[in-house]
Amino acid sequence: DAGVIQSPRHEVTEMGQEVTLRCKPISGHNSLFWYRQTMMRGLELLIYFNNNVPIDDSGMPEDRFSAKMPNASFSTLKIQPSEPRDSAVYFCASMADSNQPQHFGDGTRLSIL
Amino acid sequence: GNSVTQMEGPVTLSEEAFLTINCTYTATGYPSLFWYVQYPGEGLQLLLKATKADDKGSNKGFEATYRKETTSFHLEKGSVQVSDSAVYFCALLTSGTYKYIFGTGTRLKVLA
Repeated sequence: DAGVIQSPRHEVTEMGQEVTLRCKPISGHNSLFWYRQTMMRGLELLIYFNNNVPIDDSGMPEDRFSAKMPNASFSTLKIQPSEPRDSAVYFCASMADSNQPQHFGDGTRLSIL
Repeated sequence: GNSVTQMEGPVTLSEEAFLTINCTYTATGYPSLFWYVQYPGEGLQLLLKATKADDKGSNKGFEATYRKETTSFHLEKGSVQVSDSAVYFCALLTSGTYKYIFGTGTRLKVLA
């Protein structure tokens, strides 16, 4: 079975540009999570969805960040405008139900110059 | 609130050494406890879990026992290999919820 699929794997862009990260969760999983990982702050939960509805976005750093989940098989995380401090690895994860393990994608390594 | 505390890394061991990575937690109710592992360039993946007190999770030679009296879930392996070099995350999940609480991660480096 395919795992969580993220694209692109790497993104390098200049500050001020719009960045869109994509995620396809495992089929049948009803929850989706976006995380950010940096050396300084470790692994941070940005937002999660349950049945395509955003449940907790308290980790979204500021209004420049937005996330959508238009259907059960696709989600995006957008940064507009991007800044160098947004450089990090962004992970998407999905989960079948409460009390279940989370399944992570391999991440998108984002570099903002 | 709920929290997870892991020992600081990095941990550097020689091959075949015994491994312990400490993890303690604070939680209301009766959480499930997990260890995740992250290999270089990859996302986290589940290593083992325990859902109630005194349960022992095990996988790939790793073990951890859910100790309610000491609120701990220490990870152990009797003989580490170079291929075990990775970052290990302890995590908890409160019953009926979706939001994991992850520790800060402990980097393990095993030398041949």
